[in-house]
Amino acid sequence: DAGVIQSPRHEVTEMGQEVTLRCKPISGHNSLFWYRQTMMRGLELLIYFNNNVPIDDSGMPEDRFSAKMPNASFSTLKIQPSEPRDSAVYFCASSDPNQPQHFGDGTRLSIL
Amino acid sequence: SQQGEEDPQALSIQEGENATMNCSYKTSINNLQWYRQNSGRGLVHLILIRSNEREKHSGRLRVTLDTSKKSSSLLITASRAADTASYFCATDASHRGSTLGRLYFGRGTQLTVWP
Repeated sequence: DAGVIQSPRHEVTEMGQEVTLRCKPISGHNSLFWYRQTMMRGLELLIYFNNNVPIDDSGMPEDRFSAKMPNASFSTLKIQPSEPRDSAVYFCASSDPNQPQHFGDGTRLSIL
Repeated sequence: SQQGEEDPQALSIQEGENATMNCSYKTSINNLQWYRQNSGRGLVHLILIRSNEREKHSGRLRVTLDTSKKSSSLLITASRAADTASYFCATDASHRGSTLGRLYFGRGTQLTVWP
């Protein structure tokens, strides 16, 4: 059974560019989570969806960040315009309600 | 903050020794979970303990929960070099008896097991 699939695994781009991170959750999971991990701040929840509907986006740092889940098998996290301080590892996770979360291997983002 | 806080931040032991990591949290919970993260990988769920449970075992893992002290511990017995990883506790947010779906992760304990 395939786990959570994230793409790309690595992204290096210049500041000001648009960045799109992609996630395919585990089939049948109703909840999807986007996290950001840095040495300074640890693991932060950015936004999560239940049944494709955003439930809590209070962790989204600012308007430059947006997330969508057009269907149950796909989600995107977009940063526009990107800034060097956005450099981090971004994780997507999915789960059944109230069950343990399954994480992808993350996208390592570097903004130059 | 509702985040769990792990203690210690880093732990270094020899193979065969036991490793104990602690987690404290601030709010009422439905359950507490422990996750492991190998370098360059995503988090992997290890074990979940519900608020009405006091101890749980899974292989070489033993988790305790003390809701009166709002604390939990993860014990890894007979550690191996392959146990080297970061370990995180995560709590849900209990709201009128039902979880709100999100988890609050601590900063993690970096465990190094030397062969």
